[in-house]
Amino acid sequence: NAGVTQTPKFRILKIGQSMTLQCTQDMNHNYMYWYRQDPGMGLKLIYYSVGAGITDKGEVPNGYNVSRSTTEDFPLRLELAAPSQTSVYFCATNRPGGGGEQFFGPGTRLTVL
Amino acid sequence: QQQVKQSPQSLIVQKGGISIINCAYENTAFDYFPWYQQFPGKGPALLIAIRPDVSEKKEGRFTISFNKSAKQFSLHIMDSQPGDSATYFCAASMWNGNKLVFGAGTILRVKS
Repeated sequence: NAGVTQTPKFRILKIGQSMTLQCTQDMNHNYMYWYRQDPGMGLKLIYYSVGAGITDKGEVPNGYNVSRSTTEDFPLRLELAAPSQTSVYFCATNRPGGGGEQFFGPGTRLTVL
Repeated sequence: QQQVKQSPQSLIVQKGGISIINCAYENTAFDYFPWYQQFPGKGPALLIAIRPDVSEKKEGRFTISFNKSAKQFSLHIMDSQPGDSATYFCAASMWNGNKLVFGAGTILRVKS
């Protein structure tokens, strides 16, 4: 039982490049989330999903896209990377009625130069 | 309305001392208040959580105090240990833990 896994662990992008951050969970949870963490700013919700085929914007969605074709996977797409997207990205998951606890992946550290 | 304000930004405590981190919120619709602990290079992990129908919750050395009228809650770490050195985030949600709004975080260092 791996929980929540994220790939890659680290990535350096050039301005204007695109990439997909992968998130997979084996906890059979319906809800999945993407956060970004910047120093001194806490975690900000980018996108979330309440089930396969259903996604919605969080607090800071601009410059990102998501899809949810299966319960297990929730990839985050960056199009036209900008230096402002330099951050640590965390994927998380929980289940309705599960008491509220969110389970986080280990994170992806992204640098855009 | 959606913000959660956390203080202090950083905290240094002697081993055996009490660490206290405070949070304040505006949205009275929040009904779930967790604290997450994060070690360097790791994702946050739930430490302890409280709902507004109780004023205090204790789990081992960790206690949440909740003041509904003041819209404030705090984390107390008793007998702080070097292994408690981490970043602590308070958060709030109105959806039973979904769509968490996080505070900015407190970096705790416990000196041995």
